[in-house]
Amino acid sequence: DTGVSQDPRHKITKRGQNVTFRCDPISEHNRLYWYRQTLGQGPEFLTYFQNEAQLEKSRLLSDRFSAERPKGSFSTLEIQRTEQGDSAMYLCASSLVSGDQETQYFGPGTRLLVL
Amino acid sequence: GQNIDQPTEMTATEGAIVQINCTYQTSGFNGLFWYQQHAGEAPTFLSYNVLDGLEEKGRFSSFLSRSKGYSYLLLKELQMKDSASYLCAVRDSNYQLIWGAGTKLIIKP
Repeated sequence: DTGVSQDPRHKITKRGQNVTFRCDPISEHNRLYWYRQTLGQGPEFLTYFQNEAQLEKSRLLSDRFSAERPKGSFSTLEIQRTEQGDSAMYLCASSLVSGDQETQYFGPGTRLLVL
Repeated sequence: GQNIDQPTEMTATEGAIVQINCTYQTSGFNGLFWYQQHAGEAPTFLSYNVLDGLEEKGRFSSFLSRSKGYSYLLLKELQMKDSASYLCAVRDSNYQLIWGAGTKLIIKP
């Protein structure tokens, strides 16, 4: 399977704990995005990378959230001191930017439940 | 502000045709995307429009009018597996995707 993969697929944690999610993009893609999605809503942008550089982070994103893409390949998203409001589906997408052409392809998501 | 509007829910009959509308107000425009999302799964890419007109891809077609800030997704010969949410997203002047909340399409036999 050469698509975007995410791990774990599901995570249940207690409030106050830290969690880390991993995303492996399509291998030749140079951009990687993180989104959060709750029921009945579209994806909410969190942050994105161009290769290993984090180019933008949502102003709505709490300081408890941090993302890395150390070698320009896989990425991790960490949430510290989780809160019940962090419960959501966390989606990763990757794309290959070529001129003005860019289509994002999504991974299966990590569903987080904070108790 | 930036806004994408889609109907929350639509119902159609198997074998019929359905049109899902999307209107947008964004800071700039660099293309409009439609994605399909089955319950509990990730969005999958359906279509991309950057110029006015109709793009046809099998049973699915997408139309764009930039002057009206309007697009629609047309699904023909509906099948039960088409029951899903359909998300409209616009790429703005910063090349960021602005997402609608999605239209839940229910197909009845």
